[in-house]
Amino acid sequence: GNSVTQMEGPVTLSEEAFLTINCTYTATGYPSLFWYVQYPGEGLQLLLKATKADDKGSNKGFEATYRKETTSFHLEKGSVQVSDSAVYFCALTNFNKFYFGSGTKLNVKP
Amino acid sequence: DTAVSQTPKYLVTQMGNDKSIKCEQNLGHDTMYWYKQDSKKFLKIMFSYNNKELIINETVPNRFSPKSPDKAHLNLHINSLELGDSAVYFCASSQDVASGRDEQFFGPGTRLTVL
Repeated sequence: GNSVTQMEGPVTLSEEAFLTINCTYTATGYPSLFWYVQYPGEGLQLLLKATKADDKGSNKGFEATYRKETTSFHLEKGSVQVSDSAVYFCALTNFNKFYFGSGTKLNVKP
Repeated sequence: DTAVSQTPKYLVTQMGNDKSIKCEQNLGHDTMYWYKQDSKKFLKIMFSYNNKELIINETVPNRFSPKSPDKAHLNLHINSLELGDSAVYFCASSQDVASGRDEQFFGPGTRLTVL
């Protein structure tokens, strides 16, 4: 079957700290992998994606690498800002069906 | 130019009532979805339509009925509302390609509160 597991939150960091949010998946075939971000009171927005093994998705200083050997797609950012406070969802898609992780809330303090 | 829009944004109603939430996308996508997000932010797929045909129908009560008058619209009708239906409902759309790899675009959500 297909599923996504991500680390539980909340994650609390100080501004300019390094961020890692872990995500692992199980899937049949060759899924695409995504990170979505949900700011307070808003819908989900695509943050980055990778469609095949060893691809690196990046956007707004965030990046994640599709690792088929470890079935992982960890999200990283070198220096977080207060404005990065949000809920982050890891997801995969396989044949028109999306599977979302449970979300990880990130709080960044000044 | 809103890509995926939903109305209303907030909906407060009494138990037992019937209500509808509307969704429209102007992206020319073939596939639309409804998700339910609970208070812990967990997202659950409810339905998916492709070119007005139902393709995903997860285990939801039959009080929930989606309707797609055309491929740009997917409405959600809920009969006999219950307290447990309180949640944020998100509409989304994606381009239907054979690989099924395209990302989904989400609406802003409708916060439903059942009293």
